[in-house]
Amino acid sequence: DAGVIQSPRHEVTEMGQEVTLRCKPISGHNSLFWYRQTMMRGLELLIYFNNNVPIDDSGMPEDRFSAKMPNASFSTLKIQPSEPRDSAVYFCASSWEGTVINNEQFFGPGTRLTVL
Amino acid sequence: KQEVTQIPAALSVPEGENLVLNCSFTDSAIYNLQWFRQDPGKGLTSLLLIQSSQREQTSGRLNASLDKSSGRSTLYIAASQPGDSATYLCAASNDYKLSFGAGTTVTVRA
Repeated sequence: DAGVIQSPRHEVTEMGQEVTLRCKPISGHNSLFWYRQTMMRGLELLIYFNNNVPIDDSGMPEDRFSAKMPNASFSTLKIQPSEPRDSAVYFCASSWEGTVINNEQFFGPGTRLTVL
Repeated sequence: KQEVTQIPAALSVPEGENLVLNCSFTDSAIYNLQWFRQDPGKGLTSLLLIQSSQREQTSGRLNASLDKSSGRSTLYIAASQPGDSATYLCAASNDYKLSFGAGTTVTVRA
């Protein structure tokens, strides 16, 4: 298995531009998570999908952030318009949520976003 | 709200020494606890998952213990090697949510 795949790995953009991050979860997994990692705040959950449905988006910082999961093998996280404080590493993770007791999460390599 | 703390923040040991990494959490009603490794500029690699009903989990040189009542987990790495140098994060699971500690950065000196 290729693991969780994220693209792009690095993104440099200017303030005000739209940014789209992409994620392909592990085949067969039914849960997908978007996280953000910064030095100040550590790892934070942004949004959680189960069976392609957004279950918890309470971690999405502002309306500028949106996420979609049109099918079981693809998800996007969009920031529009982007701001310098959005600079961070964004991780996608997936798991098989058969039982929450054993739902081990597997992380992608992350996208390092820099907003100038 | 679950709060996860890892102490120390950084650790430097000579090669061959055993490593002990500590993790504490405030809400003992967890489903499981997961330990990850993160190399600089890389993603998180899952090392061990301990279910709430388990006391410990082992994989090779790694052993993780869990004491739910005291809100603590410990990761032991035996006979450390320079390749073990990385940041180690623990994460407590309440339902689907993982709450992460800030991590312990380990340096193993050759």
